[in-house]
Amino acid sequence: GQNIDQPTEMTATEGAIVQINCTYQTSGFNGLFWYQQHAGEAPTFLSYNVLDGLEEKGRFSSFLSRSKGYSYLLLKELQMKDSASYLCAVRVYAYNTDKLIFGTGTRLQVFP
Amino acid sequence: GAGVSQTPSNKVTEKGKYVELRCDPISGHTALYWYRQSLGQGPEFLIYFQGTGAADDSGLPNDRFFAVRPEGSVSTLKIQRTERGDSAVYLCASSLKGGAGLSTDTQYFGPGTRLTVL
Repeated sequence: GQNIDQPTEMTATEGAIVQINCTYQTSGFNGLFWYQQHAGEAPTFLSYNVLDGLEEKGRFSSFLSRSKGYSYLLLKELQMKDSASYLCAVRVYAYNTDKLIFGTGTRLQVFP
Repeated sequence: GAGVSQTPSNKVTEKGKYVELRCDPISGHTALYWYRQSLGQGPEFLIYFQGTGAADDSGLPNDRFFAVRPEGSVSTLKIQRTERGDSAVYLCASSLKGGAGLSTDTQYFGPGTRLTVL
């Protein structure tokens, strides 16, 4: 089966750091992606990990541990515009498929 | 450059009617995907095209749903005899290659079509 878990909601203060966790159990794994989605808009790509470790991209970092089925997205120096849903997605690739399996998303609210 | 575009942005229809949703992928992208997103949920996979062929349609909920991509570019998702439970945002995504096992092959999403079945 396919199962991806992430918290439903989180709150944080402007300028702070927040970590959004994601755990997964999927049949097949070919990378873990994080997307940001503002209300009523398309998901936009933030980061991906395929090997264990930390990937840093400006204020955003993403970590992966494949043995633990665990990832997190770290957002630093939070800004009001970071208020959005953050979607964790596992890419499942096989000879007859190529698709993303998404978690339900974590809605982050940043307060002044 | 232009991203993925979808039309219409909103579609309201009555139960039992037929609807078509259109997706224009990023130019040069061979892989195209359809997802469905209900309120408060993550996108749910429907179908994956590699070129003109549907490589994986295992996510289509039932035989009322059908999708085509006749020339390997634009795709149309077709829903027959719509039901109220079909109401959702239908998202289209494209990637450069797809199916090649390249983890760098990122899927880029369109703005979606919000379908409301009354």
